[in-house]
Amino acid sequence: DAGVIQSPRHEVTEMGQEVTLRCKPISGHDYLFWYRQTMMRGLELLIYFNNNVPIDDSGMPEDRFSAKMPNASFSTLKIQPSEPRDSAVYFCASSLGGGAYRAFFGQGTRLTVV
Amino acid sequence: GDSVTQMEGPVTLSEEAFLTINCTYTATGYPSLFWYVQYPGEGLQLLLKATKADDKGSNKGFEATYRKETTSFHLEKGSVQVSDSAVYFCALGAQKLVFGQGTRLTINP
Repeated sequence: DAGVIQSPRHEVTEMGQEVTLRCKPISGHDYLFWYRQTMMRGLELLIYFNNNVPIDDSGMPEDRFSAKMPNASFSTLKIQPSEPRDSAVYFCASSLGGGAYRAFFGQGTRLTVV
Repeated sequence: GDSVTQMEGPVTLSEEAFLTINCTYTATGYPSLFWYVQYPGEGLQLLLKATKADDKGSNKGFEATYRKETTSFHLEKGSVQVSDSAVYFCALGAQKLVFGQGTRLTINP
């Protein structure tokens, strides 16, 4: 199995631009998580899905952030418009069955907003 | 709300030294506790876990014991290797995880 695949690995964009991060979970997994990692705030859960349905988006920082999961094989995290404080590493993780601790993480997308 | 506090890093040790990374938590009820490891350029990997008081999680020579009386889950290893250099995260929860800030560990040969 290829594991959780995220793209791109690195993204540099200008403030005000739209950014879309992509994630392909492990085949057969029914939970998908999006995390953000920064030096200041550590690792934070943004949102998670179960069977493609968003279950808890209380970690999404503001309306500029949105996440979708149109099918079991694909999810996106979009930031529009982007701001320098959004610079972070964004991780996607997926798991089979409940329990976030069972999740396998992708390698992350390092986003830099200039 | 629930929270996790880890010892601040970075921690630098020589190979074969004894390692302790402290972790304490605040939570309602009795959550499961975890240690994760993050190698450079990679995502987090579950290292070990404990689901109830006095449980000891262990993996790859690392150990941690769930201490309810001190609300702690300290990570230990008797003899570290250069390959153990990574960032270590303590976490608690079940469906949602709360992570500590992470401790960067560097092992010198």
